[in-house]
Amino acid sequence: GAVVSQHPSWVICKSGTSVKIECRSLDFQATTMFWYRQFPKQSLMLMATSNEGSKATYEQGVEKDKFLINHASLTLSTLTVTSAHPEDSSFYICSAHVNRRSHETQYFGPGTRLLVL
Amino acid sequence: KQEVTQIPAALSVPEGENLVLNCSFTDSAIYNLQWFRQDPGKGLTSLLLIQSSQREQTSGRLNASLDKSSGRSTLYIAASQPGDSATYLCAVNTGGGNKLTFGTGTQLKVEL
Repeated sequence: GAVVSQHPSWVICKSGTSVKIECRSLDFQATTMFWYRQFPKQSLMLMATSNEGSKATYEQGVEKDKFLINHASLTLSTLTVTSAHPEDSSFYICSAHVNRRSHETQYFGPGTRLLVL
Repeated sequence: KQEVTQIPAALSVPEGENLVLNCSFTDSAIYNLQWFRQDPGKGLTSLLLIQSSQREQTSGRLNASLDKSSGRSTLYIAASQPGDSATYLCAVNTGGGNKLTFGTGTQLKVEL
């Protein structure tokens, strides 16, 4: 099956620091990965679409200079939360898009919980 | 803009009961619809994927139906078990880059 991993699984940092989260597709290649954010008791909100070898596409209201996305290879996308603040504390989940003959779907990573103090 | 709503927001049932979770979406021009399960503090597990041309999909005790014209989907869980306790999310793919729009979720608790 298709497995997506995220690292770290959780991180606590001081306000003002930057945090990098990695998303890897372990047994398949993904030209497109997605980054979601989930606040407590809320659903997932798409932040950006990460395309290998090109700039990410951000959803309305998401600051591209604050949430830096790099998709340097077909198996790795990174999300860097720059100058993190307490309001950035959230659960960040990535997914990798797979286009199979029968259907297209996304496989999700286990998520990264970020707490900014 | 696609909006996805799920009702109820929370549900508590005794073990063994059959139950139905509802999902509605405002834009019927969808590519597919997917049901996920999320355990507390965890990522998502895909349960069922229904293409826009399909009416339903089944996997074990789960059955998902899709009525695209009315913008509705239901997830039927038969003979519920405590291990089914989780938050269930539906998500629609409206095309245009395979972006998923998630519903608000239904938090299910199956009690012994």
